[in-house]
Amino acid sequence: EAGVAQSPRYKIIEKRQSVAFWCNPISGHATLYWYQQILGQGPKLLIQFQNNGVVDDSQLPKDRFSAERLKGVDSTLKIQPAKLEDSAVYLCASSLRGRPTGELFFGEGSRLTVL
Amino acid sequence: GNSVTQMEGPVTLSEEAFLTINCTYTATGYPSLFWYVQYPGEGLQLLLKATKADDKGSNKGFEATYRKETTSFHLEKGSVQVSDSAVYFCALSDTGNQFYFGTGTSLTVIP
Repeated sequence: EAGVAQSPRYKIIEKRQSVAFWCNPISGHATLYWYQQILGQGPKLLIQFQNNGVVDDSQLPKDRFSAERLKGVDSTLKIQPAKLEDSAVYLCASSLRGRPTGELFFGEGSRLTVL
Repeated sequence: GNSVTQMEGPVTLSEEAFLTINCTYTATGYPSLFWYVQYPGEGLQLLLKATKADDKGSNKGFEATYRKETTSFHLEKGSVQVSDSAVYFCALSDTGNQFYFGTGTSLTVIP
């Protein structure tokens, strides 16, 4: 079974530029998450999708971050314009809907450096 | 609200030493509890989980018991190996399938 795919793995941009990250979850996984992991910290949820609907985006900085999940499969996360503090690893994860499975499957992450 | 607190690192142990990484949680309702591990250069992967009180999760020699009375889920291993060097994250999920992670504990095992 293929895992969660993310790209690009690494991205370096100047502040005020834009960047987009792509995620392909595990086939059949209805729930998709984007997390931000700053060095030395735990993952922080940015947005959670159930199929193509948003479940929780309360911690997404909506003035600069946007995310979509068209057709309930792939997802993209965009940052525009980027700030220095956006330097982090952006993790995509997916899970089957409902409990007790509850397990998150993570991609390898996209490391963003903003200069 | 829901939150997870885990002991800060970094932790450095000699091979074959006993490991404990403490984790406590705050939650409404009855969450599921998890330990995730992140090996160098890799993504997070599930190490073990427990879905109800008094459950014990175990995998690769690691164990953790869901203690509702102390709201804890401490990770233990009797004899660590160099290959266990990684960052360990405690996490909980609530009924909405929302996950809350601790800050992570870095473990280095030296030969």
